[in-house]
Amino acid sequence: DVKVTQSSRYLVKRTGEKVFLECVQDMDHENMFWYRQDPGLGLRLIYFSYDVKMKEKGDIPEGYSVSREKKERFSLILESASTNQTSMYLCASSSIYTEAFFGQGTRLTVV
Amino acid sequence: AQTVTQSQPEMSVQEAETVTLSCTYDTSESDYYLFWYKQPPSRQMILVIRQEAYKQQNATENRFSVNFQKAAKSFSLKISDSQLGDAAMYFCAYGANSKLTFGKGITLSVRP
Repeated sequence: DVKVTQSSRYLVKRTGEKVFLECVQDMDHENMFWYRQDPGLGLRLIYFSYDVKMKEKGDIPEGYSVSREKKERFSLILESASTNQTSMYLCASSSIYTEAFFGQGTRLTVV
Repeated sequence: AQTVTQSQPEMSVQEAETVTLSCTYDTSESDYYLFWYKQPPSRQMILVIRQEAYKQQNATENRFSVNFQKAAKSFSLKISDSQLGDAAMYFCAYGANSKLTFGKGITLSVRP
């Protein structure tokens, strides 16, 4: 079975903290994605990566950065967390020709 | 930019009946994929069905089928013989050039 693992299920961070959300996949997928999910807004793409060290901005990249140093790992970084970044964060991976497989999600609360 | 539109935020269906969830998309690409995902209360995203744009035949997976109208850029999901376990949020998604874009989702409730 394909496995996409996010490092935390729940996180609580303070305003201004630097936050790292980690995602690891075990299927040698080329593509990896970070989304945030908010009620009424669906899944909005923050960043995606199609290869090691390659990244592309999604629809809402402001306030976020990403890192992909190894093929299996894709990290989302909040340089200075703010309360409007409180959300559910979903990581996914896919190969070029397959559907995306998702992690279990991280519920981040910024206080 | 590619966009995916799900205009109905909620729908309800009687158990054992059929329901259709609508989705439209906008793209200038000719080669792409379309997906329907289900998200139950557990929050785990589950693939329901996928459709390659180059295939004219509509995809089918057991009780789930799609009506893919490429010219109209429409991709609706039909659920037949609805079951209580079908109650969830459903997302339509579009994939091309390594990018995957989702709609806002629709909440489906199933009445016993």
